[in-house]
Amino acid sequence: DGGITQSPKYLFRKEGQNVTLSCEQNLNHDAMYWYRQDPGQGLRLIYYSQIVNDFQKGDIAEGYSVSREKKESFPLTVTSAQKNPTAFYLCASSPSPGTDFYEQYFGPGTRLTVT
Amino acid sequence: ILNVEQSPQSLHVQEGDSTNFTCSFPSSNFYALHWYRWETAKSPEALFVMTLNGDEKKKGRISATLNTKEGYSYLYIKGSQPEDSATYLCAFHKAAGNKLTFGGGTRVLVKP
Repeated sequence: DGGITQSPKYLFRKEGQNVTLSCEQNLNHDAMYWYRQDPGQGLRLIYYSQIVNDFQKGDIAEGYSVSREKKESFPLTVTSAQKNPTAFYLCASSPSPGTDFYEQYFGPGTRLTVT
Repeated sequence: ILNVEQSPQSLHVQEGDSTNFTCSFPSSNFYALHWYRWETAKSPEALFVMTLNGDEKKKGRISATLNTKEGYSYLYIKGSQPEDSATYLCAFHKAAGNKLTFGGGTRVLVKP
C-alpha cells in the first residue's frame, strides 16, 4: 500500500529536550511538507521541501529544523527553542510540480506533548 | 501570511438536511483552491482541486463552486448523513508557488 507514515502517534518529552518526528512516504512524491495544528486553528506550514537536499521555511519555522537526505524521508526536529511545542504535527507529500495542482496526501499525524 | 478564512467554524446539521459553508481567499495571484475532508482519527483527504473561475465539482452528495474574481468558494452537502461529520478544510494555492495556505476549517456534525 502506498502512503505516508508518521511515527510515533503520541510523543511525550520534557521541556528543554530536542525531539525528532519521523515522516516516510512511498508514493514517489518529490515534495514534502510539515504542518502544525493547534486547537481551534487550521494547519500552519512549518517547512517544505520540493526536492532532495533542498527545503524552505514555511510560515512558522522558528524553533524547528528539517533535513531531506532521501526522497522518501523528511524528519522534523522540534528544538528546545520552540516556545510552544505541544501540538499535533502532520506530514504531507505531493507529486512533482506541474502535475495535479499539488494535491497533498497526508500522514496520520503525531501528537507531541512537552511538559 | 495570506488570509484564508472559513465560516462558520462549526455547524450542526440534522440528518437528511442540506448545508453549505464558505471559504474566502485572496482574489489576486490565484492558482488553485483545494478542499479537504478530515474525519476524526483519520488523515485529511482531498475532495476537490478547483482551478477555473466558475468551476463546479461534485463527488457524490458533496459539491463545490468557485468564484476567483471575488475570492470565495462554497462547499455544499446535500442530504447530510452521519458519515459526513468531519472538518472540511479549504486551502489556497497562490500562483508561482507550491505551498498551500489553509483556512481554519468548518467542523460539521450531522445528528441522526
